[in-house]
Amino acid sequence: EIVLTQSPGTLSLSPGERATLSCRASQSVSSSYLAWYQQKPGQAPRLLIYGASSRATGIPDRFSGSGSGTDFTLTISRLEPEDFAVYYCQQYGSSPLYAFGQGTKLEIK
Amino acid sequence: QVQLQESGPGLVKPSQTLSLTCTVSGGSISSGGYYWSWIRQHPGKGLEWIGYIYYSGSTYYNPSLKSRVTISVDTSKNQFSLKLSSVTAADTAVYYCARGKDYDILTGYYIPPRAFDIWGQGTMVTVSS
Repeated sequence: EIVLTQSPGTLSLSPGERATLSCRASQSVSSSYLAWYQQKPGQAPRLLIYGASSRATGIPDRFSGSGSGTDFTLTISRLEPEDFAVYYCQQYGSSPLYAFGQGTKLEIK
Repeated sequence: QVQLQESGPGLVKPSQTLSLTCTVSGGSISSGGYYWSWIRQHPGKGLEWIGYIYYSGSTYYNPSLKSRVTISVDTSKNQFSLKLSSVTAADTAVYYCARGKDYDILTGYYIPPRAFDIWGQGTMVTVSS
């Protein structure tokens, strides 16, 4: 069973700073099959990135994804106040068919 | 603008069956090649995919829940449903429905999605006597 480990668990930054979130898989993941979501309190997750690096519809270009194999990164170039939330990575294709990381909480410093 | 809305009891007794429905509005559940999933989130925890259904009725479940899960579709009502049997307190969670699709250019068929682009708002289900 594949396990996605996200780090750090909590990231404290200020608006305007750059955020780098990591997702490490216990086995290789096709870069086509790695996605990132943003979740705010009381809301459903929102798709940000699919295929490791493609932005979903309506997602600002300050969000970018990269990586391959077992190591993937979500970067937010300049944090806006609305970006403080929990972020999840998700893979497709291994067992279970869809697996999510445990999340990284991005909080205001 | 397609929207998904979960509905069902917020409280279920242990050993009973949890039943939820997701109503799709703004588009047809039968068109566009979408796969329709259920995903849950335990309180304060991460996300767990439960299973999906295609409008044709084909399903695929998470092996960890497969023995207790049934997902069905009612195209006439534009809904799909989740049944989870023999529930325990460990099944207490927010349950989301979500959709996604992908297209295989080699075969010309729609295939299970890499990601979920639209989610319902979620519904909290508590298992307690």
